Amino acid sequence: RKEVEQDPGPFNVPEGATVAFNCTYSNSASQSFFWYRQDCRKEPKLLMSVYSSGNEDGRFTAQLNRASQYISLLIRDSKLSDSATYLCAVNDRGRDDKIIFGKGTRLHILP
Amino acid sequence: EPEVTQTPSHQVTQMGQEVILRCVPISNHLYFYWYRQILGQKVEFLVSFYNNEISEKSEIFDDQFSVERPDGSNFTLKIRSTKLEDSAMYFCASSESAEGKTQYFGPGTRLLVL
Repeated sequence: RKEVEQDPGPFNVPEGATVAFNCTYSNSASQSFFWYRQDCRKEPKLLMSVYSSGNEDGRFTAQLNRASQYISLLIRDSKLSDSATYLCAVNDRGRDDKIIFGKGTRLHILP
Repeated sequence: EPEVTQTPSHQVTQMGQEVILRCVPISNHLYFYWYRQILGQKVEFLVSFYNNEISEKSEIFDDQFSVERPDGSNFTLKIRSTKLEDSAMYFCASSESAEGKTQYFGPGTRLLVL
């Protein structure tokens, strides 16, 4: 089983719509979870950390289900500028918490 | 806002040549990482570095790779004898501590091996 799995997409969504991404991870010992955003040929940029209680940052909501080893990201009222690849990431509980990334889900917001 | 910087932004080299990729982590950060991303593939961990030594390395990080923190600010990745399959985007990252703390990524160096 792959360590972090995501639907690669692409998701083609009209501007203003709500879109949801899911991610599953295999290491039940993982303690920290993240969503990163990556624009074409750019570095991953942290979008938000994901907490057990779920968390919201403006139009973005992240949820974690430890029992199912499942993470989600919801984007409401999508903007053209939300077009990017969204990377699910979990820490690997080695000595220095390296990050294991999913391959990413591509999102295209259509005008 | 402090950020991780990397140089060069692009590097083209011949197979078998040595390359050194440079990174300046965020100044108060203690943990340093190198990741790579082959075109169209996922971001992969290479190595982590703390207290002037390698903490962990992946299978990718073989004897051709080495890392160094030659002074108080720079963190380098050296590839001794580049192969075609080393062509990728190389990202440096740093974090304040290891325990689930956010890793901040630099803009990357695009390496092309011909």
